[in-house]
Amino acid sequence: QVQLVQSGAEVKRPGASVKVSCKASGYTFTNYDINWVRQATGQGLEWMGWMNPNTGGAGSAQKFQGRVTMTRNTSISTAYLEVSSLRSEDTAVYYCARGVPFNSWGQGTLVTVSS
Amino acid sequence: DIVMTQSPDSLAVSLGEGATINCRSSQSVLYSSNNKNYLAWYQQKPGQPPKLLIYWASTREFGVPDRFSGSGSGTDFTLTISSLQAEDMAVYYCQQYYTTPRAFGQGTKVEIK
Repeated sequence: QVQLVQSGAEVKRPGASVKVSCKASGYTFTNYDINWVRQATGQGLEWMGWMNPNTGGAGSAQKFQGRVTMTRNTSISTAYLEVSSLRSEDTAVYYCARGVPFNSWGQGTLVTVSS
Repeated sequence: DIVMTQSPDSLAVSLGEGATINCRSSQSVLYSSNNKNYLAWYQQKPGQPPKLLIYWASTREFGVPDRFSGSGSGTDFTLTISSLQAEDMAVYYCQQYYTTPRAFGQGTKVEIK
């Protein structure tokens, strides 16, 4: 069955970077876009960006441009989201999701930004 | 950018009763060349990732109970739960995937009365 398994929780200082991984299984990794969505505690869903695992092409929401990098390693069917210059407002659960619409989701990775 | 607005923000419904959630997009999400509305609905229960319920505005995802239905076209959409069950208590989100950014509505919390 389709599964997206994300890396574990992270605690980072303001100004640092974090890299979250999303390992896909149960399907051909390069056949579906990977999207990244975040959710602050008690808040709604915020779409961050997408990546085409086949070509490596990616795009992000304007508010994240210049601070977010989406990459992949096709040999291990894994997508990555890196967020730099972290601030407290980036504290959230980060999800990867497959396809458009998003028909399979990772379990989420809590990123806490605190001094 | 397309902005998605849901109403109400929350609603309390008795078990067995119906629930209706509305979603409006700031621009049409109907693609004229294929006559499809690029609109999805998700359900999120506490501590879980969202789950896709409906796509193309009215197509149920495999395994989703038929008490969930979607309707609408263009800019106005509705998610209906025909007979609320206890396991339907959740937050529901609409999302447009017509273009990027693939915006979500703010969510509607459904509680049991």
